[in-house]
Amino acid sequence: EAGVAQSPRYKIIEKRQSVAFWCNPISGHATLYWYQQILGQGPKLLIQFQNNGVVDDSQLPKDRFSAERLKGVDSTLKIQPAKLEDSAVYLCASSDSLGFSTDTQYFGPGTRLTVL
Amino acid sequence: AQSVSQHNHHVILSEAASLELGCNYSYGGTVNLFWYVQYPGQHLQLLLKYFSGDPLVKGIKGFEAEFIKSKFSFNLRKPSVQWSDTAEYFCAVNQAGTALIFGKGTTLSVSS
Repeated sequence: EAGVAQSPRYKIIEKRQSVAFWCNPISGHATLYWYQQILGQGPKLLIQFQNNGVVDDSQLPKDRFSAERLKGVDSTLKIQPAKLEDSAVYLCASSDSLGFSTDTQYFGPGTRLTVL
Repeated sequence: AQSVSQHNHHVILSEAASLELGCNYSYGGTVNLFWYVQYPGQHLQLLLKYFSGDPLVKGIKGFEAEFIKSKFSFNLRKPSVQWSDTAEYFCAVNQAGTALIFGKGTTLSVSS
């Protein structure tokens, strides 16, 4: 079974530029998550999708971050404009949870973003 | 607010030593508990999980964890570590269908 795919793996941009990350979840997984992991910390949720609908975006900085999952499969996370503090690893995870209690989240390799 | 606390930031052990990594959570209601591991250069992988039933959970590579509800704890253990266990370990918790809340992680360094 193929895992969660993410691209690019690394990205370096200057502040105020824009950047986009792509995620393709495990086939058949209805739930998709984007997490941000800052160096020295654990991952923190940015946004959760169930199929193509947003379940939780309470921690997404909506003035600069946006995400979509138009067809309920792959997803794109965008930052515009980027700030220095956005330097982090952006992780995508998926699960086949449909509200059941036994969901397990599987993570992709992440995109390491450096903002100069 | 829900939170997860990992007691040790960096643990250094010799091969064959026993390991215990502490994890406490602050979360009301029924929770699912997880330990994830991130080996150098690799992505986060599930080590073990607890949803219900026997509070002693066995995972991959000889790891186990014990859920103690009264102490809000889910400590990870391994009786004898190997050099290949060098990695970062994350404790995480969630409720059904929600995002994971992670601790800050513990870096384990095992010397041969």
